Amino acid sequence: EPEVTQTPSHQVTQMGQEVILRCVPISNHLYFYWYRQILGQKVEFLVSFYNNEISEKSEIFDDQFSVERPDGSNFTLKIRSTKLEDSAMYFCASSVGEGGYTFGSGTRLTVV
Amino acid sequence: SQQGEEDPQALSIQEGENATMNCSYKTSINNLQWYRQNSGRGLVHLILIRSNEREKHSGRLRVTLDTSKKSSSLLITASRAADTASYFCATEAAGNKLTFGGGTRVLVKP
Repeated sequence: EPEVTQTPSHQVTQMGQEVILRCVPISNHLYFYWYRQILGQKVEFLVSFYNNEISEKSEIFDDQFSVERPDGSNFTLKIRSTKLEDSAMYFCASSVGEGGYTFGSGTRLTVV
Repeated sequence: SQQGEEDPQALSIQEGENATMNCSYKTSINNLQWYRQNSGRGLVHLILIRSNEREKHSGRLRVTLDTSKKSSSLLITASRAADTASYFCATEAAGNKLTFGGGTRVLVKP
């Protein structure tokens, strides 16, 4: 069964550093997403990406965040100048459209 | 309450018993989905029910949707220790993004 692959599975970074979280969506999917889950809290929508541009973003997704699909297969989330409160599990997902979501296993980001 | 709220927040049952959890939401939706998450792991899609459907089954899972009450329930029959996990409902409206609830933590004791 096709999978969404996320790397790394766990990243530890110093406060103020930049991190790039990587995702390989399912190849025939058209929509790409990033969600995050702070420990013990809800899964929160960050951003959706379609046709090489952001289609929707949440209030969380401010200028500190950016997404890119650099080469037609990878989908990345960049977090600049990380803060302690950015520590969370970050999930990538892709879909063909309504209802057909597949989530990756997540990247646990720890900012120290 | 916020979009996609589950209750109870936690549920402890014996193996073999049924587990029922509920989800309420506030806005119109295209579909509602249930996901499972084992501790610290990824989200596994369990089942999707569209807004024009009232009930759906998948193996030991039964989902209902009442759009007039803006609520859904997930029933896991004949639970197993391996069903121990957190279960989340998520609603999908226009724009394809999902809005998740806070989840129900289910503990199935052997």
